[in-house]
Amino acid sequence: EPEVTQTPSHQVTQMGQEVILRCVPISNHLYFYWYRQILGQKVEFLVSFYNNEISEKSEIFDDQFSVERPDGSNFTLKIRSTKLEDSAMYFCASSEWSGINSPLHFGNGTRLTVT
Amino acid sequence: AQSVAQPEDQVKVAEGNPLTVKCTYSVSGNPYLFWYVQYPNRGLQFLLKYITGDNLVKGSYGFEAEFNKSQTSFHLKKPSALVSDSALYFCAVRGANAGNMLTFGGGTRLMVKP
Repeated sequence: EPEVTQTPSHQVTQMGQEVILRCVPISNHLYFYWYRQILGQKVEFLVSFYNNEISEKSEIFDDQFSVERPDGSNFTLKIRSTKLEDSAMYFCASSEWSGINSPLHFGNGTRLTVT
Repeated sequence: AQSVAQPEDQVKVAEGNPLTVKCTYSVSGNPYLFWYVQYPNRGLQFLLKYITGDNLVKGSYGFEAEFNKSQTSFHLKKPSALVSDSALYFCAVRGANAGNMLTFGGGTRLMVKP
């Protein structure tokens, strides 16, 4: 069964540094998402992306965050200047279309640790 | 604003016994409800969804969930638990006007003892 893949599985960075988290969505999916889960807390929506532009974003997704689909397969989340509170598990997801009958398929996540 | 509550941080059951993981929601308009499971060091795996129709929804691995509109609940159930069902379970809701944004509950850790 096709999967969403994320790299790296674990990223350690120093406060103030830029990080790029990478995702390869399922190949025939058109909608892409980033969610995050701070340790012990809820899974939170960050952003959704379709047709090379952001379709929705949450309050968490401020100017420090950006997303990009640099080629036909990758979908990236960039955090420009990391803060301690950005430490979390970041999940990429994709869906075939935006309709409610198209469930999200999640990757295994990237654990980001900001020191 | 939409929200999901999973009132139990942890549920413990013995293998072979029925299990229930509770979920209540708040949303404007018709709710679209989902259950996801997360195994250690893995992503969220889709279990089942309620969109419309029968209130009892069947999903993967023998799980089912019952939609109750009057109680705004969507409890996850399984008639006979397996040790391998031990994992973290998340309920999620999407309102009709919420675009693609899923709102998740805090998760419930299910522990099935042999």
